[in-house]
Amino acid sequence: GESVGLHLPTLSVQEGDNSIINCAYSNSASDYFIWYKQESGKGPQFIIDIRSNMDKRQGQRVTVLLNKTVKHLSLQIAATQPGDSAVYFCAENMGNQGGKLIFGQGTELSVKP
Amino acid sequence: NAGVTQTPKFQVLKTGQSMTLQCAQDMNHEYMSWYRQDPGMGLRLIHYSVGAGITDQGEVPNGYNVSRSTTEDFPLRLLSAAPSQTSVYFCASSWGGNEKLFFGSGTQLSVL
Repeated sequence: GESVGLHLPTLSVQEGDNSIINCAYSNSASDYFIWYKQESGKGPQFIIDIRSNMDKRQGQRVTVLLNKTVKHLSLQIAATQPGDSAVYFCAENMGNQGGKLIFGQGTELSVKP
Repeated sequence: NAGVTQTPKFQVLKTGQSMTLQCAQDMNHEYMSWYRQDPGMGLRLIHYSVGAGITDQGEVPNGYNVSRSTTEDFPLRLLSAAPSQTSVYFCASSWGGNEKLFFGSGTQLSVL
């Protein structure tokens, strides 16, 4: 999961396995959440988003789960591939309409062939 | 359709120098933001704008100024660069506050 500090949390999985990346968000008023993938040397790339009126949303090989009771967000990647190796960030909108997305520290996913 | 364009890609400054990081988007997005990213850390919000003529501070605004005279452009100014501002800077835009951000490719800034 994501946490404060200089060392990114890391997750190492075998190719073909499912990955679960966790995120604890801070503001109970946040009503929009988003996951990004960042490959080395590139800008963050949108993966999937979810609004607070939902608790699950699925995309292509990815699923986001939202548990508002414990302020927890997770990203599930099915059949993880080497191309999924990257840093994954969650972000929340802090309950405002002003484009103020606040990001977590990130989790580094490493996929072993 | 170029998306979000940042210039320059790399920049080296001496302490005390000033410079402007440029950001432009061609998607007619109302919302634009600047983030900095330091090693082992997530993206921290510097300033953001909900539309032309409107800007607001994010988490780490000190040492940076912004303006939004047009919908397309959102430059970030460092008035007197400090080594603590060595970082990778990302500009991003979106249609609205609760919509996904589109990011530029980043500017790597080193302040000596």
